[in-house]
Amino acid sequence: DTGVSQDPRHKITKRGQNVTFRCDPISEHNRLYWYRQTLGQGPEFLTYFQNEAQLEKSRLLSDRFSAERPKGSFSTLEIQRTEQGDSAMYLCASSPPDNNQPQHFGDGTRLSIL
Amino acid sequence: GEDVEQSLFLSVREGDSSVINCTYTDSSSTYLYWYKQEPGAGLQLLTYIFSNMDMKQDQRLTVLLNKKDKHLSLRIADTQTGDSAIYFCAERLGGYQKVTFGTGTKLQVIP
Repeated sequence: DTGVSQDPRHKITKRGQNVTFRCDPISEHNRLYWYRQTLGQGPEFLTYFQNEAQLEKSRLLSDRFSAERPKGSFSTLEIQRTEQGDSAMYLCASSPPDNNQPQHFGDGTRLSIL
Repeated sequence: GEDVEQSLFLSVREGDSSVINCTYTDSSSTYLYWYKQEPGAGLQLLTYIFSNMDMKQDQRLTVLLNKKDKHLSLRIADTQTGDSAIYFCAERLGGYQKVTFGTGTKLQVIP
């Protein structure tokens, strides 16, 4: 069990650029989640996948954000036309099919917009 | 709707017990969690409790749940300097996957 893996750990980009983050969940975890955490705050839910299906989306997930999980394994989160307000830590979590089990988090991708 | 509140800061001496408190608003909460976050890192699950339980103990950690008052606490016995971190209380409603987090309590352990 290698845990949830996120790549890259840090991303610095200029405003207006597109960025893509990757998350590899714990093997055999069919549920995958994306959260965003700004400085001094707790994580905020963005979206949830069960296998390849995206089942829940937060109002925070504007049309510049898109998440995919095409084969039900790894997931990508893309932000288009980045804005200053997108600077945050993007956290991925996964959990097994048992609905009683908690979510386990990766170390996150820290995004800084110049 | 869900809302989770925590005090922002707690300072304790090494070897003492720490008690971190949390209140939540949604009585439908089924799952309640405590996560630990160290600087620059992700969230580490410490423990969790189902809403049909009053208490859970796991080594140095004790979770108490008061459903009537919607109050959750985490007690850390024999607090060590390595326990210094931010602790998040979180809730999840049954039937949903979204977890709602508090703003976190920063625990400072003084040697």
